[in-house]
Amino acid sequence: QQQVKQSPQSLIVQKGGISIINCAYENTAFDYFPWYQQFPGKGPALLIAIRPDVSEKKEGRFTISFNKSAKQFSLHIMDSQPGDSATYFCAPQRMNTGFQKLVFGTGTRLLVSP
Amino acid sequence: KAGVTQTPRYLIKTRGQQVTLSCSPISGHRSVSWYQQTPGQGLQFLFEYFSETQRNKGNFPGRFSGRQFSNSRSEMNVSTLELGDSALYLCASSPQGQGATGELFFGEGSRLTVL
Repeated sequence: QQQVKQSPQSLIVQKGGISIINCAYENTAFDYFPWYQQFPGKGPALLIAIRPDVSEKKEGRFTISFNKSAKQFSLHIMDSQPGDSATYFCAPQRMNTGFQKLVFGTGTRLLVSP
Repeated sequence: KAGVTQTPRYLIKTRGQQVTLSCSPISGHRSVSWYQQTPGQGLQFLFEYFSETQRNKGNFPGRFSGRQFSNSRSEMNVSTLELGDSALYLCASSPQGQGATGELFFGEGSRLTVL
């Protein structure tokens, strides 16, 4: 069973602050590192993802930082907004290998207070 | 382009009954995966179907089963329901498979309550 450890379990951040969520994995063959965002009553949706050939990827207020040697990647949400309040999941995987069982992190519930 | 559609959205069953959930993937997507989401266990992989064939199965008892039709629509069935089966059941589709292109497209889920 591939191990994926996500932290923290929950996070409260003031509006305008920085939210940081971490994901640690064991399988060094992983080559696709996504973060999914899930709002209450909705299914998860891909927020941002990174390949291992870069150490950082930024899309608006969302940034993924990737540390290959530490087998970790993080989601940074700059200028956090109440609308960012959701649960976030990491799901590292190998691409283009066909059939695999995805393992999602346990989730981080983010609450951004106004 | 229509998203992943799951029906029913909500349902209540009693212990011992069975339930069938349906998922219509995004047009052109051939892979459908099912996940169980609970507060304590997070997202747990149930199984994946591709071109009507089950390719992968998670660690769930045989009471959980599924199938995929030639139009890629999928159903999952849970027999002899237990209280612990209460969960949000999510369906996700992708063009080729979970590992091929990365992104999974999720439906809004079917929330099952077992009394």
